[in-house]
Amino acid sequence: DQQVKQNSPSLSVQEGRISILNCDYTNSMFDYFLWYKKYPAEGPTFLISISSIKDKNEDGRFTVFLNKSAKHLSLHIVPSQPGDSAVYFCAASASRYGGSQGNLIFGKGTKLSVKP
Amino acid sequence: NAGVMQNPRHLVRRRGQEARLRCSPMKGHSHVYWYRQLPEEGLKFMVYLQKENIIDESGMPKERFSAEFPKEGPSILRIQQVVRGDSAAYFCASSPRQGGNTEAFFGQGTRLTVV
Repeated sequence: DQQVKQNSPSLSVQEGRISILNCDYTNSMFDYFLWYKKYPAEGPTFLISISSIKDKNEDGRFTVFLNKSAKHLSLHIVPSQPGDSAVYFCAASASRYGGSQGNLIFGKGTKLSVKP
Repeated sequence: NAGVMQNPRHLVRRRGQEARLRCSPMKGHSHVYWYRQLPEEGLKFMVYLQKENIIDESGMPKERFSAEFPKEGPSILRIQQVVRGDSAAYFCASSPRQGGNTEAFFGQGTRLTVV
């Protein structure tokens, strides 16, 4: 049973436009959510996170929105740049370890392609 | 400050051999996590260790897999009698502490191929 779902395996966006990556989860115990970016043959790189007590967190071009009632979060990238082309993973954790990011449940990822 | 270092980057083993994957956490980090990524899949949590202690191994297969993080030296993920299904990318992450939404930093991974 997949607890974190990214239903779009790929997304193609024009440079300068907005990229919206979606993620759904099923476990109501999750209280901390993260987005990671991954290039081929490299490890995931942390992008942005959000605690369940918030509904929005913004960092530069990246904004994460959390809708707890729908168990849905999204990552917005504005404006999108060719260098943003990568696989984006959504991940979630519960406070079992006091909020540690260690035991993360990952989605399968969405491959974003930003075309010049 | 070097990042999380994993070696080897690529490892080829024949069925039945042992695979040893090493992870040196970032300086000052005492928490280490191992993940496995199968092709076309997300990362799956395997085990969480602190120095000399296994905190959570709920994601580890019950047989053939073991992990350690000794007082001195890197963390080791050991796979005995490898099978083709063990072929995957294995990622290690480290963090300085637990709690407070502490970020975990990932290494570049070890790609294990079992032939």
